[in-house]
Amino acid sequence: GAGVSQSPSNKVTEKGKDVELRCDPISGHTALYWYRQSLGQGLEFLIYFQGNSAPDKSGLPSDRFSAERTGGSVSTLTIQRTQQEDSAVYLCASSPRQGYGYTFGSGTRLTVV
Amino acid sequence: LAKTTQPISMDSYEGQEVNITCSHNNIATNDYITWYQQFPSQGPRFIIQGYKTKVTNEVASLFIPADRKSSTLSLPRVSLSDTAVYYCLVGDMGNTGFQKLVFGTGTRLLVSP
Repeated sequence: GAGVSQSPSNKVTEKGKDVELRCDPISGHTALYWYRQSLGQGLEFLIYFQGNSAPDKSGLPSDRFSAERTGGSVSTLTIQRTQQEDSAVYLCASSPRQGYGYTFGSGTRLTVV
Repeated sequence: LAKTTQPISMDSYEGQEVNITCSHNNIATNDYITWYQQFPSQGPRFIIQGYKTKVTNEVASLFIPADRKSSTLSLPRVSLSDTAVYYCLVGDMGNTGFQKLVFGTGTRLLVSP
């Protein structure tokens, strides 16, 4: 597509529920990144994909967080047993090759109540 | 990863030139300097990138001294719509392997009438 698309744009969930956040990168972009941004804070790196593999998962806050990417395209970030501290905007970015020219999506605002 | 330091906030008025300086004392030889702009409820947007000396595009100019330990983003004649958070990042262009961009807290620019 023309840009990075994320869905849903907003998600309200109850504490303890699982959620899935989706990212559609720009067609042909091999690198895909997930970041998290809490209210009024900077961006926190979560995970990076090169193709379908994730060389660096060091930013995932806990084992409740996981992500996958299929077909070198769509990525899904899954948060299990959500907690209130998971509330944030989850941003996805893609680039044609690692480290070059990130394009961000508008993010998914997750609210855990 | 080179760490960056930039002012937390800046105030300006419409029509003025704004210069935001970023310190990156530990910048590596392969690192480039990139600036992003973020509006509320949106993902960051690429503004400009450079390696040394001066880079100019239709939006901004980037000044990098010879030692590359700092850089200055220059926004000419700002308008109210330039009110945003500006992030300075340094990172490898990716030729030497995986690289993630580390976002600091950024500089919150407020432009007043």
